Amino acid sequence: EAGVTQFPSHSVIEKGQTVTLRCDPISGHDNLYWYRRVMGKEIKFLLHFVKESKQDESGMPNNRFLAERTGGTYSTLKVQPAELEDSGVYFCASSQIRGPAGELFFGEGSRLTVL
Amino acid sequence: QQQVKQSPQSLIVQKGGIPIINCAYENTAFDYFPWYQQFPGKGPALLIAIRPDVSEKKEGRFTISFNKSAKQFSLHIMDSQPGDSATYFCAASRGSSGSRLTFGEGTQLTVNP
Repeated sequence: EAGVTQFPSHSVIEKGQTVTLRCDPISGHDNLYWYRRVMGKEIKFLLHFVKESKQDESGMPNNRFLAERTGGTYSTLKVQPAELEDSGVYFCASSQIRGPAGELFFGEGSRLTVL
Repeated sequence: QQQVKQSPQSLIVQKGGIPIINCAYENTAFDYFPWYQQFPGKGPALLIAIRPDVSEKKEGRFTISFNKSAKQFSLHIMDSQPGDSATYFCAASRGSSGSRLTFGEGTQLTVNP
């Protein structure tokens, strides 16, 4: 069974440019999360989808970040325009609706470097 | 403010040693405490988890100790092996399905041969 896949694995962009990260969750997982880890810090929650609906987006830093999950399958996270402080590793995770609490399955992450 | 504090940031032990990683939380509404293990280039993976109705949980060489009154929990790795070298994250959530995880800052563990 395929795990959570993320693309791209690494993106290097200039400040002010736009980047779109993609996440394909495990098939059948209705919960989809985005997290971010800035160098050496904790993994911070960004937002949570249940199917195609945003359940909790309280962790989104500002309106330069836009997440979508059309059709309740894959999700995209767009950063526009990117700033230096957006650099970090963006993780996507998924879980079953009725799965044990906390049992999230993470992708390998998308490393974003903003120059 | 950081709701889950983890220490140490890094830890080096010899093979066979027992590394201990500590976490403290503030939110008393948390009732599910997982540990995640992350190898370089990979995503975090659930290692072991505990609920506050027990004070200890053991799975293989990994043990969580939980102190509800002190709002602290720790991970012990018995007979550590070089293959255990990874970054370990403690986390906490409210336990219901779909609840967000609040992570600690991570501990980079190195087990020397």
